[in-house]
Amino acid sequence: NAGVTQTPKFRILKIGQSMTLQCAQDMNHNYMYWYRQDPGMGLKLIYYSVGAGITDKGEVPNGYNVSRSTTEDFPLRLELAAPSQTSVYFCASSPPNRAYEQYFGPGTRLTVT
Amino acid sequence: DAKTTQPPSMDCAEGRAANLPCNHSTISGNEYVYWYRQIHSQGPQYIIHGLKNNETNEMASLIITEDRKSSTLILPHATLRDTAVYYCIVGVGAAGNKLTFGGGTRVLVKP
Repeated sequence: NAGVTQTPKFRILKIGQSMTLQCAQDMNHNYMYWYRQDPGMGLKLIYYSVGAGITDKGEVPNGYNVSRSTTEDFPLRLELAAPSQTSVYFCASSPPNRAYEQYFGPGTRLTVT
Repeated sequence: DAKTTQPPSMDCAEGRAANLPCNHSTISGNEYVYWYRQIHSQGPQYIIHGLKNNETNEMASLIITEDRKSSTLILPHATLRDTAVYYCIVGVGAAGNKLTFGGGTRVLVKP
């Protein structure tokens, strides 16, 4: 199993550009999550999904959108990138009977200038 | 409001036990204590969790006080690879249940 994979690893965006961060898992996990981590800080939940077709907001959803058309994929869309969205983005997944046991991807380091 | 309080940093010697404290004085009866760690530049990794009983797995032991207001994560024989930020998190563990990663404790294992 590859676990949770994220692409790209690094990206530089100009202010106002848009992009999609890709996340995929091959563990057949129902639950998936997107977090952001600013330098020296803990992680903050952006969005999460409990299954295909179901998504919900986390702590910091503004400026982002998600979709979940399959169990495996959970892309995060940034519209109109702003410098405040410079961060490391982590995707995670967990099985429904152990939602607390989240498996994280390697992260995407995004810089908006 | 922070649900947990952890020391910002601590050092420990390689081969010795590392005892990481966490205060969670406002924990509710149905909330668990979870521990994760984050090795530099990687995604966090789940370590262990508990409700009120002490727990042990291949990575660590978790000791929860009887009043559940604090807990200690024990790494029995710290290695250099255990150098990481350790997060103590309180929550009910359902999906999206806001596992809030605070500042954590930065643990440096020294040879």
